[in-house]
Amino acid sequence: EAQVTQNPRYLITVTGKKLTVTCSQNMNHEYMSWYRQDPGLGLRQIYYSMNVEVTDKGDVPEGYKVSRKEKRNFPLILESPSPNQTSLYFCASSSLSSPLHFGNGTRLTVT
Amino acid sequence: GENVEQHPSTLSVQEGDSAVIKCTYSDSASNYFPWYKQELGKRPQLIIDIRSNVGEKKDQRIAVTLNKTAKHFSLHITETQPEDSAVYFCAAGKPGGYNKLIFGAGTRLAVHP
Repeated sequence: EAQVTQNPRYLITVTGKKLTVTCSQNMNHEYMSWYRQDPGLGLRQIYYSMNVEVTDKGDVPEGYKVSRKEKRNFPLILESPSPNQTSLYFCASSSLSSPLHFGNGTRLTVT
Repeated sequence: GENVEQHPSTLSVQEGDSAVIKCTYSDSASNYFPWYKQELGKRPQLIIDIRSNVGEKKDQRIAVTLNKTAKHFSLHITETQPEDSAVYFCAAGKPGGYNKLIFGAGTRLAVHP
């Protein structure tokens, strides 16, 4: 089954404790991205990647890092999480012939 | 950069009525306009999309119209049903996501039986 898999689905952590949210897709898509969803603000892009070793900032990249060492994986790293990063995060992938397909989301709470 | 505005933020209709959600975009280079539906607690899922060489596209009870001159596009849902209740997002960008896909803030649609 074609899918984008994120883990974990839920995460509660404390300020400053580094964390990684994993994302993997099995559709051989070139393009992957991370969005955060906050009430009233829609889906805002954090980072995106057009292919292996090619990443670029989206609209709200501050406080986040990403890497694309393999085509299927695109982890999101929060080096020092803060409460304003409490949000619902979605990973997504697409290609020239396939529209954007989202993962099931990761709800992060930073206390 | 691209900016997408979406209205209304909430919409309440009776079952069987029509619902219309409107979006405007700022970047005239945008040529791909998808709509996503997000049910409570679930991921956004593509329901319909349109490219700039087409003015209207229909899929059963849903349709999207595009006015490139005015830089706005709309989602039309006819004969609404309770299962249409969800948050709907419009977006603007380039096909395949090779450029940034910018989303509107969303419209929460409630269909009352």
